[in-house]
Amino acid sequence: DQQVKQNSPSLSVQEGRISILNCDYTNSMFDYFLWYKKYPAEGPTFLISISSIKDKNEDGRFTVFLNKSAKHLSLHIVPSQPGDSAVYFCAAYVDYKLSFGAGTTVTVRA
Amino acid sequence: DTAVSQTPKYLVTQMGNDKSIKCEQNLGHDTMYWYKQDSKKFLKIMFSYNNKELIINETVPNRFSPKSPDKAHLNLHINSLELGDSAVYFCASSQIGDRGPSYEQYFGPGTRLTVT
Repeated sequence: DQQVKQNSPSLSVQEGRISILNCDYTNSMFDYFLWYKKYPAEGPTFLISISSIKDKNEDGRFTVFLNKSAKHLSLHIVPSQPGDSAVYFCAAYVDYKLSFGAGTTVTVRA
Repeated sequence: DTAVSQTPKYLVTQMGNDKSIKCEQNLGHDTMYWYKQDSKKFLKIMFSYNNKELIINETVPNRFSPKSPDKAHLNLHINSLELGDSAVYFCASSQIGDRGPSYEQYFGPGTRLTVT
């Protein structure tokens, strides 16, 4: 029973444009939401997080938006760079556990 | 100077064998985790240890047994390996308590297990 869903398996974006990744969740008890970035043959690396009591968090080129009523969050990357090409996982946290989505593969075209 | 390391990186073995995967973290964290990434790419929590005490034990076959000799190490033993155990296994660590956000977990590079 997947509590965190990423419905877009892939996203292709031109360098310099905005990348928007989406994530939906079902468990209203989640305390925090996170985005992880993963390169091939490496482990996921923490990118940005947001508390369930916030609706926006920004860190450089990365902004995460949370819409609790819709149980939806998104990650905006502006501007997109070639090094951003990776798999992005949405994750949600409660009771010491992270629940992950299936990931979205982002390809940034030159 | 790797923060979370796992050995081996690749493991190919036959059905019925017993194998172990080792994990070490040098971040000074008090909590360690094992995740399994299956063929559908979902990362799922298996176990978690806090200060050598088991705090999370998801629905995992009892052929899987974690062992934590100290705070910096969490090993995963798998007995009687089956084809369905083929996956990538990730170790992670975090700090529970005042020293840092417990939700921020740091992952190792993964161990790709192939059972033939």
